Amino acid sequence: ETGVTQTPRHLVMGMTNKKSLKCEQHLGHNAMYWYKQSAKKPLELMFVYSLEERVENNSVPSRFSPECPNSSHLFLHLHTLQPEDSALYLCASSQVFSGGAKDTQYFGPGTRLTVL
Amino acid sequence: QKEVEQNSGPLSVPEGAIASLNCTYSDRGSQSFFWYRQYSGKSPELIMSIYSNGDKEDGRFTAQLNKASQYVSLLIRDSQPSDSATYLCAVISDYKLSFGAGTTVTVRA
Repeated sequence: ETGVTQTPRHLVMGMTNKKSLKCEQHLGHNAMYWYKQSAKKPLELMFVYSLEERVENNSVPSRFSPECPNSSHLFLHLHTLQPEDSALYLCASSQVFSGGAKDTQYFGPGTRLTVL
Repeated sequence: QKEVEQNSGPLSVPEGAIASLNCTYSDRGSQSFFWYRQYSGKSPELIMSIYSNGDKEDGRFTAQLNKASQYVSLLIRDSQPSDSATYLCAVISDYKLSFGAGTTVTVRA
């Protein structure tokens, strides 16, 4: 595997389910990100982890819970979601989280989530 | 006020023509700028990054940055049908990457 991978690629869940999205980066990067992309809207940053520590939580509802066990893996745990949470969830990684050139982000293929 | 603004398009250009995409940003202190391409149903892929005022060329793509005007653009020369996609402008502001809503480009064969 190369680059950034995400599983599952598609997920359909009910509002009472609990599921998790997984992201893995094979680039040796130290920062990882979760984004939400809804139709016709810009990508919304949800969470940022740098060296396995959460450095940004963009006012995301508590029904989304991130976990970063090491610099290569990132999870997004989902519970009691709402239909409006249906979207493409994208994971990205960058060499560092510094606000500069080394922050170039590379994206995974995304998980298409549908909440019924 | 939106942090990053792009013309939403769609922008339709004939094959072989130049497609010109524009982006403005609100944070005067931003130093790093990126263009991503996103095909329908796919994730964004990096096309170019630019950090200094002026032009940066990579193959058929040229990025132009004017920090005084808070403006960054992307030119696609000799447009091909495979260039049909949504182009996202992204700017690092306060350590975070902020994206525009994207400009959809359609190249007519």
